[in-house]
Amino acid sequence: GDSVTQMEGPVTLSEEAFLTINCTYTATGYPSLFWYVQYPGEGLQLLLKATKADDKGSNKGFEATYRKETTSFHLEKGSVQVSDSAVYFCALEVVRGSNYKLTFGKGTLLTVNP
Amino acid sequence: SAVISQKPSRDICQRGTSLTIQCQVDSQVTMMFWYRQQPGQSLTLIATANQGSEATYESGFVIDKFPISRPNLTFSTLTVSNMSPEDSSIYLCSVLRLAYNSYEQYFGPGTRLTVT
Repeated sequence: GDSVTQMEGPVTLSEEAFLTINCTYTATGYPSLFWYVQYPGEGLQLLLKATKADDKGSNKGFEATYRKETTSFHLEKGSVQVSDSAVYFCALEVVRGSNYKLTFGKGTLLTVNP
Repeated sequence: SAVISQKPSRDICQRGTSLTIQCQVDSQVTMMFWYRQQPGQSLTLIATANQGSEATYESGFVIDKFPISRPNLTFSTLTVSNMSPEDSSIYLCSVLRLAYNSYEQYFGPGTRLTVT
C-alpha cells in the first residue's frame, strides 16, 4: 500500500548548518507530496508541497523536490536557525474515488543549537 | 489557508468516562477529518467526517468508540467513549481545501487528552 519512510531522528545541528531530512514514498500513481512542521506545543502547519514530478516546493528557506525516479521528497535548508527546531513530517496524498487521506511519515525531531 | 479551532484544548479525564471534542472552521469545507497523535508518534487518521451521513472510519477505529457528528459544513465533533489510559493522545481536526488546482490539508491546534 501507500506509505512514507522518513529519516529517523533526532537530528541535532548547530545554527547555520545545512539540513537534509530524507523522505521516500511508495504509492500508486503520482500523489501530491507534503512537508508539515510541528513547533513545540503547537499544531501541524503545512510547510511546502509539490504536486507532480520535478516540482520544487519551497517556503521559509526550506526546499524539497519531487523525484519520481527515486520516489523521494527530501527536505533541505541551507542554513538552519534555532527557530527551526521542530518535528518535521513528510506526507503523501492518497485518493481513492471520493476518499481522500494523507499518509504521514513517523516524523523527524530537529534541534538547532545556537 | 483555514482557521480551525478546537475545544477543549486539553483535558484530564477518568477512565470509563467520555469526552466530546468540538471542531469549528472559519468557512465551509467539503471534507473534515479526525486524527490521533499518540505521544512521540506520527498522525493516524481515525475517520473522515461526512456531512449528512455516517463517518468513514479507518481500519482499527469503530463508531462505538469514536462517534463523530458533522451537522453542517463548518462544524464537527469527535467523542472518545469509555476512555482508558491508552486513549491518552492529541486529537486533531483537519480540513481539506482546494488551492491552485491541488488539495491542501490544514490542521487545528489539537486537543491534548490525558486519561487517568
